Amino acid sequence: DAKTTQPTSMDCAEGRAANLPCNHSTISGNEYVYWYRQIHSQGPQYIIHGLKNNETNEMASLIITEDRKSSTLILPHATLRDTAVYYCIVRPRSGGGADGLTFGKGTHLIIQP
Amino acid sequence: DAGVIQSPRHEVTEMGQEVTLRCKPISGHNSLFWYRQTMMRGLELLIYFNNNVPIDDSGMPEDRFSAKMPNASFSTLKIQPSEPRDSAVYFCASSAPRQILDTEAFFGQGTRLTVV
Repeated sequence: DAKTTQPTSMDCAEGRAANLPCNHSTISGNEYVYWYRQIHSQGPQYIIHGLKNNETNEMASLIITEDRKSSTLILPHATLRDTAVYYCIVRPRSGGGADGLTFGKGTHLIIQP
Repeated sequence: DAGVIQSPRHEVTEMGQEVTLRCKPISGHNSLFWYRQTMMRGLELLIYFNNNVPIDDSGMPEDRFSAKMPNASFSTLKIQPSEPRDSAVYFCASSAPRQILDTEAFFGQGTRLTVV
């Protein structure tokens, strides 16, 4: 998997949008950007993924730059339950996980009341 | 569906004992993964199966670790003999067949293993 770089930690006020950046400057043309999060004492949870177009689902939005070298995960109205470690993963599309995921250290997002 | 089910949730064992962790994937999923998480090394992929066949076990730390998937609804991860450095949270995950678009990996709640 291509290497990704994320800030170690971030704070965000409850109710505000949380914007989590990820750099993936060595991404190749067939690689997707996936985001997972891990709430304390739980297993990782899939959030969203994309190739080059912006994506949105009920959990978040994913903005990928035109050159695909970086992306931003946006939680539009953060709540205390969004406090978690967020992982940005770059990998070829293969049905979502049939050849495993390589997790980095992620960003510890802390939502402040 | 109840999701990926792992048992036990917590296991405390003495060094040298055999430990068996169990996983029931989501029905219909044909890929199964075992991960280990520690503070020092983060989340690491140990092994994964496609259609009950082990595909890549390069993440298995040493011969003391073994994993099996006798059928589509059950997998085990065994450590024999266990050592204190094996203490970690072990996660099992499953995902749907490759030809289905927009699939992702679903993780269980994990088994917290403590070897004393």
